[in-house]
Amino acid sequence: GAVVSQHPSWVICKSGTSVKIECRSLDFQATTMFWYRQFPKQSLMLMATSNEGSKATYEQGVEKDKFLINHASLTLSTLTVTSAHPEDSSFYICSATWGGGNTEAFFGQGTRLTVV
Amino acid sequence: SQQGEEDPQALSIQEGENATMNCSYKTSINNLQWYRQNSGRGLVHLILIRSNEREKHSGRLRVTLDTSKKSSSLLITASRAADTASYFCATVGGSARQLTFGSGTQLTVLP
Repeated sequence: GAVVSQHPSWVICKSGTSVKIECRSLDFQATTMFWYRQFPKQSLMLMATSNEGSKATYEQGVEKDKFLINHASLTLSTLTVTSAHPEDSSFYICSATWGGGNTEAFFGQGTRLTVV
Repeated sequence: SQQGEEDPQALSIQEGENATMNCSYKTSINNLQWYRQNSGRGLVHLILIRSNEREKHSGRLRVTLDTSKKSSSLLITASRAADTASYFCATVGGSARQLTFGSGTQLTVLP
């Protein structure tokens, strides 16, 4: 299957700082990338959908000024957690797809963010 | 919000036994997909079944879909300890392309 690389796999940061997470599709052009958040022993909650070259669409309750998403190319999307606080600590996962709804999505390895 | 529920929430079986997980969803769908997640890792796609399909096989996996009941099941035959993971169903509906995940089933296969 196609490969999606997410970096870093884990990060610890101080409260108030910003953290950038990268999601790259290595061997295909991802027209759409999705960002999810997952709390321990829970399911994935969609945060936002990003299409290359356009603004991301955020799910209800997700602060767009808090979670900045940039999808500048067909192979790279970034999620920046701005002014991180301990409650932002979570597992963040990206996925990418090239087609419509009947194509599978490929997931990154996830990023464990811990804010201290 | 999550589309659906999965049951059981947790399942523990012996190696060699079959494992069945069920998923229910609420709205009409284009397709339903099953994913596997090892602890602290990303998701791995297992199988996709379209709304006009009723059953699909892939190796030791068998997926059924009943759109009238808005439910799906994942059967893993002859389970192995390496199958231990969380399994999620996810739906795609309407014009949307994003996946909406179920609550997941934690499967433990004991050697």
